[in-house]
Amino acid sequence: NAGVMQNPRHLVRRRGQEARLRCSPMKGHSHVYWYRQLPEEGLKFMVYLQKENIIDESGMPKERFSAEFPKEGPSILRIQQVVRGDSAAYFCASSPYTTGYGYTFGSGTRLTVV
Amino acid sequence: DQQVKQNSPSLSVQEGRISILNCDYTNSMFDYFLWYKKYPAEGPTFLISISSIKDKNEDGRFTVFLNKSAKHLSLHIVPSQPGDSAVYFCAAHPTDSWGKLQFGAGTQVVVTP
Repeated sequence: NAGVMQNPRHLVRRRGQEARLRCSPMKGHSHVYWYRQLPEEGLKFMVYLQKENIIDESGMPKERFSAEFPKEGPSILRIQQVVRGDSAAYFCASSPYTTGYGYTFGSGTRLTVV
Repeated sequence: DQQVKQNSPSLSVQEGRISILNCDYTNSMFDYFLWYKKYPAEGPTFLISISSIKDKNEDGRFTVFLNKSAKHLSLHIVPSQPGDSAVYFCAAHPTDSWGKLQFGAGTQVVVTP
């Protein structure tokens, strides 16, 4: 049973390009969470999704960021027109429940904007 | 607004001794607290948790203590082993949240021989 799979592991984008980060939850998990870790900081919640629904996007920046978790396929975090400040590690977690315990995190995608 | 704080960015401890990691919080509306461990280039892995109605939870070498009046929790690792060298994050679950966690900034633990 594979864990939470994130790809790519590393992503380099030029300023103004788009970044797409993918997350496949663990088998049987229908709840997906995205977190961002800036250098020297803890993880910051971005968004919580269930299949085809955004449940809580209170941590998402108002512009350029979007997330989806379609009926089929992985969850996608999309960042349009990336800027240097978007450089961070982005972690996805999944759980079989609606609570915050029981999370399994993926290994993350490290985004570097040059 | 940092509601979960880990004020020690790093901790060095000798193998076999006790590691004590501290975490303070400001919001009374947390119902669960968790500790995660993170190695470089990996995602955080769940270590241990404690409900807000308890004051202690133990799992092998790991014990978490919760002092609600002081809004403080601590993680004790006894005895410390070289494989415990990692970053440890304290996290809290708000009562009114649908699974969202608030994390502290982490404490880097180094266990020396």
